Amino acid sequence: SQTIHQWPATLVQPVGSPLSLECTVEGTSNPNLYWYRQAAGRGLQLLFYSVGIGQISSEVPQNLSASRPQDRQFILSSKKLLLSDSGFYLCAWSVRGALNTEAFFGQGTRLTVV
Amino acid sequence: LAKTTQPISMDSYEGQEVNITCSHNNIATNDYITWYQQFPSQGPRFIIQGYKTKVTNEVASLFIPADRKSSTLSLPRVSLSDTAVYYCLVGVDFNKFYFGSGTKLNVKP
Repeated sequence: SQTIHQWPATLVQPVGSPLSLECTVEGTSNPNLYWYRQAAGRGLQLLFYSVGIGQISSEVPQNLSASRPQDRQFILSSKKLLLSDSGFYLCAWSVRGALNTEAFFGQGTRLTVV
Repeated sequence: LAKTTQPISMDSYEGQEVNITCSHNNIATNDYITWYQQFPSQGPRFIIQGYKTKVTNEVASLFIPADRKSSTLSLPRVSLSDTAVYYCLVGVDFNKFYFGSGTKLNVKP
């Protein structure tokens, strides 16, 4: 069966510090991968989307970047965190090329920038 | 991609049936309607998907009228554990899933 791992679960970082969140998927190949952010009490905002190694699409301009160094690994990074980067970050995957497929989410990372 | 509109919040009591309606006037011919459930501090999870008429699974039922411009998620006999945010998604834009603000369901004892 397929599983998605996301870590760490919680993170407190000072303003101006770097960020690296990692997500890995097991049990599937060539997945579509996604990073979402959810501000407190808000809906999910799609940040990045990837269809393959090294292929990253950014949905919104921001202080963050994403990379996909391996087929089932997706990394969210920042060189210098801002207070506004605080939120709940979710990694997800879906089956590539499948119509009407569903998104499978990890457990999320709650990031607090202080 | 069809825009969706759903209530911001709903209250219910344990044991009641809850119906959450989503409007999607601009739904395309090939679009499916999908509902997700999100508990606090967790990622959303798929509940149910349908194209037309009625779909039922062990968790919920989905009612879609003939014009497909709306859909209703029905949760039978809710319990406190059904307190969550419910998202309606219509279509998938080149494999990208766009979630709105959802409907926050609060089940009271």
